[in-house]
Formats: sequence, C-alpha cells, structure tokens
Amino acid sequence: DIQMTQSPSSLSASVGDRVTITCRASQGISSWLAWYQQKPEKAPKSLIYGASTLQSGVPSRFSGSGSGTDFTLTITSLQPEDFATYYCQQYSGYPITFGQGTRLEIK
Amino acid sequence: EVQLVESGGDLVQPGGSLRLSCAASGFTFTNYGMNWVRQAPGRGLDWVSYISSSSSAIHYADSVKGRFTISRDNAKKSLYLQMNSLRADDTAVYYCARVETLAGMKHWGQGTLVTVSS
Repeated sequence: DIQMTQSPSSLSASVGDRVTITCRASQGISSWLAWYQQKPEKAPKSLIYGASTLQSGVPSRFSGSGSGTDFTLTITSLQPEDFATYYCQQYSGYPITFGQGTRLEIK
Repeated sequence: EVQLVESGGDLVQPGGSLRLSCAASGFTFTNYGMNWVRQAPGRGLDWVSYISSSSSAIHYADSVKGRFTISRDNAKKSLYLQMNSLRADDTAVYYCARVETLAGMKHWGQGTLVTVSS
C-alpha cells in the first residue's frame, strides 16, 4: 500500500498569512493526488485534484504543486474560513490512502 | 445538484451487523464508481471500499475484507455497505463519495454514524 505522510500535523497561522502543507508518498504516484478541506462535523470538501487542478468554485488563493512523491498545498492570504483540517489523498490505485491530516489553527 | 444521502447508521453490539445505504440524485448514477470512506471519532479519513459503475470491479481495505460487502442498485440509484462481524474499531462516521475519473472525489454525502459498543 502507498503511505501518505503529511507535514506538519498542525499549524498555527494568522489571517493574511501564507501557509504551505506538504505531502509525501511512499512511492511515485505521478499526479494522482487530491487535497481536501474538512471542517468540524462536516464532510470533506474537494479542493484540488491532479495535484494542481483547482476544483470549480475553490478560491484561487489555494494552489497545489508536485508530482511523483512530493506535493504541496499552498494557501496565500489566509481567510477566517480557511481554518480547518486538510488531507491529501492518493488515487494512483486501490487501496486509496489519505495523509493523516494537517490541522490549521488560528494563531 | 448532485446529492448523496447516507442512512442506516446506528448503535450495534460487537459482532453485530448493519447495512448502510447511500441514495444518489442529481446525476447519472450508472456513470460513476463510488467509494465508502469512514472517519473514526477525532481521527483522519480512512477509505473502506470501492465499486465500479457496473459493479464489475470491487475493492476493499484489508481492515474490512471478509466482513463488509459493497453493492449497488443502479435502478434505485443507491449504494450499499453490508457490515458484518462489527468491531469497536469500526465505530466511525461513514461517508459515500462519488469517484470522478482522474479527479478524486468531488461529491460526498453528509455521513452516517455507526457506533459499535456493548
């Protein structure tokens, strides 16, 4: 199985900050990577697929990059509604696997 | 509008069984594979099972293989998860999610809570 490792596990930032979350796959997954945002008691929301393609309706302050084994999610100019938990997920093949999550908190 | 609505979650004793359902609307159900993903309280996301649009391909996480069975009824636009031999570590919110070709999972249901406890 492909293991997905996110870092950091948690992150404190302020409104207006730029933050970067990294995700590393235990083996190459090309660009078969998605990012999700989840708020408490809510279903995950898809942000990015194909490592860098923004889902429709997702603000342009979100961006993704990477291929192979190393990926990043960047949020520029954090907004209050961005404080949530973020997960990466590989869909190179089954079993699909998620990172352990990065909790983004308000400083 | 794409909608996925899970139901069937409940409190069940260890060793018991439960059947979850996911009702789909707002899209052509027969065109999409579907996943079940779960989330234990305070934990991360954990993929459970996948079924292709025609049910010709099915996959399970090792943790549920032999105990859970995924199925679908395209005429009823519904997805199911039959869960047998339930254990305490199966306690979680279970989500159904539509599989987008080459694009992960864009649409998710609201989830249904399964609690396994005596």
